[in-house]
Amino acid sequence: DAKTTQPTSMDCAEGRAANLPCNHSTISGNEYVYWYRQIHSQGPQYIIHGLKNNETNEMASLIITEDRKSSTLILPHATLRDTAVYYCIVRVSTIFFTGGGADGLTFGKGTHLIIQP
Amino acid sequence: KAGVTQTPRYLIKTRGQQVTLSCSPISGHRSVSWYQQTPGQGLQFLFEYFSETQRNKGNFPGRFSGRQFSNSRSEMNVSTLELGDSALYLCASSEGQGEDYSNQPQHFGDGTRLSIL
Repeated sequence: DAKTTQPTSMDCAEGRAANLPCNHSTISGNEYVYWYRQIHSQGPQYIIHGLKNNETNEMASLIITEDRKSSTLILPHATLRDTAVYYCIVRVSTIFFTGGGADGLTFGKGTHLIIQP
Repeated sequence: KAGVTQTPRYLIKTRGQQVTLSCSPISGHRSVSWYQQTPGQGLQFLFEYFSETQRNKGNFPGRFSGRQFSNSRSEMNVSTLELGDSALYLCASSEGQGEDYSNQPQHFGDGTRLSIL
């Protein structure tokens, strides 16, 4: 799987939009971009994922650049409860999986997002 | 819908013992994956089960094993425990079906925290 690069930490004011960048310059055409977050002492929480198009759900929006080399997760109105470590993950489509390996999620170190009151 | 349930939440063992952890997936999910999270190595994929068969495997020694039952519940076993096995063990479930099951998000439980004395 391609590697991702994220800032170590970011601050955002409560009520503002939080924009979390992720660089995945070596991503291939058959790899999804997934975002998870982990609040202390809890398991990771799925946020959103996409392949080529921008995606939106009740939690967030995912903007993927046209060349797919980077993406941005947008939390439109950040609250204190959004303080967490956010992980950007690329995952190969199992349609192209050659098998015999590990189709698990590969987590990096993520971005520690701190929402300031 | 109930989420992924892991039991027990906390466990203390001594070196050389073995341990079994349990995971109940979201209703209707047939895939269960296991992860280990430590401060030093972060979140690492152990293995995945689908329809009672191990479908994917990470890079962990044979002391780590698992199984899945016909109701999709899964157990993970670690034998001959070492101090380095102290970690948060996370279980994640997904529908897991179809050729492109990588397009289906994994949903995590809150883990079992295992401490080795």
